Amino acid sequence: QVQLVESGGGVVQPGGSLRLSCAASGFTFSSYGMHWVRQAPGKGLEWVAFIRYDGSNKYYADSVKGRFTISRDNSKNTLYLQMNSLRAEDTAVYYCAKEYRASDAFDIWGQGTMVTVSS
Amino acid sequence: SYELTQPPSVSVSPGQTARITCSGDALPKKYAYWYQQKSGQAPVLVIYEDSKRPSGIPERFSGSSSGTMATLTISGAQVEDEADYYCYSTDSSGNHRGVFGGGTKLTVL
Repeated sequence: QVQLVESGGGVVQPGGSLRLSCAASGFTFSSYGMHWVRQAPGKGLEWVAFIRYDGSNKYYADSVKGRFTISRDNSKNTLYLQMNSLRAEDTAVYYCAKEYRASDAFDIWGQGTMVTVSS
Repeated sequence: SYELTQPPSVSVSPGQTARITCSGDALPKKYAYWYQQKSGQAPVLVIYEDSKRPSGIPERFSGSSSGTMATLTISGAQVEDEADYYCYSTDSSGNHRGVFGGGTKLTVL
């Protein structure tokens, strides 16, 4: 079945870096755009970034632009999020999500990976 | 930056109709999507492109959009529909930047 599995979360100090991965299975990964979405503890959802199916275009929320980089390796069916210059406000569960039918939205989500930025 | 506005909470009795609204200036030009998130779980898409229902979503879930407001309607709400609901759309800049509403806690009791 269609599955997304995130990894790479953990505790990092302010100013540090972390790379998240999202392993995809059960669908043709190279045919779909992919998103990252996050949710701070007890808060709502926040869209973070999107990458087209072939990696040709990338889009970011203003809150992470210039600090985070989304990328993908279609040969490995894997999505990445490189997070630099991390701040306390980046503390959240990070979800990867699969594009839905070439629309602006997404249907399948992973289970999420927790990132905690704290000294 | 672009914002979508939802009421923080909606409460209905079982069997009643629940309506959750989402307002945004770009909604006349951009589709609205709705996600259901139950406690401790990843969100689930319940409505896409304003009014379409993905396979597996019960018929009691429907969506509509008029002008700057989109509405999620749950006809005959069930106790198991109690969850947080988020609308989602993109801004009209063409930069494919997504935005969620603040979320609405639906209580069914």
